[in-house]
Amino acid sequence: DGGITQSPKYLFRKEGQNVTLSCEQNLNHDAMYWYRQDPGQGLRLIYYSQIVNDFQKGDIAEGYSVSREKKESFPLTVTSAQKNPTAFYLCASSIITQGQASGANVLTFGAGSRLTVL
Amino acid sequence: AQKVTQAQTEISVVEKEDVTLDCVYETRDTTYYLFWYKQPPSGELVFLIRRNSFDEQNEISGRYSWNFQKSTSSFNFTITASQVVDSAVYFCALSEALLGGYQKVTFGTGTKLQVIP
Repeated sequence: DGGITQSPKYLFRKEGQNVTLSCEQNLNHDAMYWYRQDPGQGLRLIYYSQIVNDFQKGDIAEGYSVSREKKESFPLTVTSAQKNPTAFYLCASSIITQGQASGANVLTFGAGSRLTVL
Repeated sequence: AQKVTQAQTEISVVEKEDVTLDCVYETRDTTYYLFWYKQPPSGELVFLIRRNSFDEQNEISGRYSWNFQKSTSSFNFTITASQVVDSAVYFCALSEALLGGYQKVTFGTGTKLQVIP
């Protein structure tokens, strides 16, 4: 079955360490997204990518980095510069359509990775 | 700027009761899309429904129904005869097209629904 796989599901990190969260999809989707979820704040966009080797900052990109070397993969690195990294991280993907119809695309989500900084 | 407000943080109902989850949105665009997603305890968000700004027809799918009213900028979600499996966090979202095929999706803060057996 097609879907999005995120790993690890749970991750603990000491302050000052970088950590990379994996996101792999086999849906043949062009667009991929990273969201951060905090209690009471909904989902906030960190980065998104439409094509290999290209990505854009979202609303809260500071302290994060991404790469898109393959269409299927969009890993997120939480760097030591991120001041409050403890959160639930969700990866998503979608098809791409042009024009106004691009707003209609449904996001498919992974099961998330919960990062705790000790 | 887009904004989605889900004023109900948590709702508890007894099984078989009906429950309505409220969603109010703000946008300056005339073309936009509204979504509801369900997040069960497993964590991944699951798509429930999409409406575009030109289609105010209400929709029913089994025990689920949605009421879209542009006049009040609302897109409310009703579950009839709730079941324990409906317990989850529900997100309302607003999506608009951006240049280059991107979409800007703004999520509400979610409503946690607990259905008590």
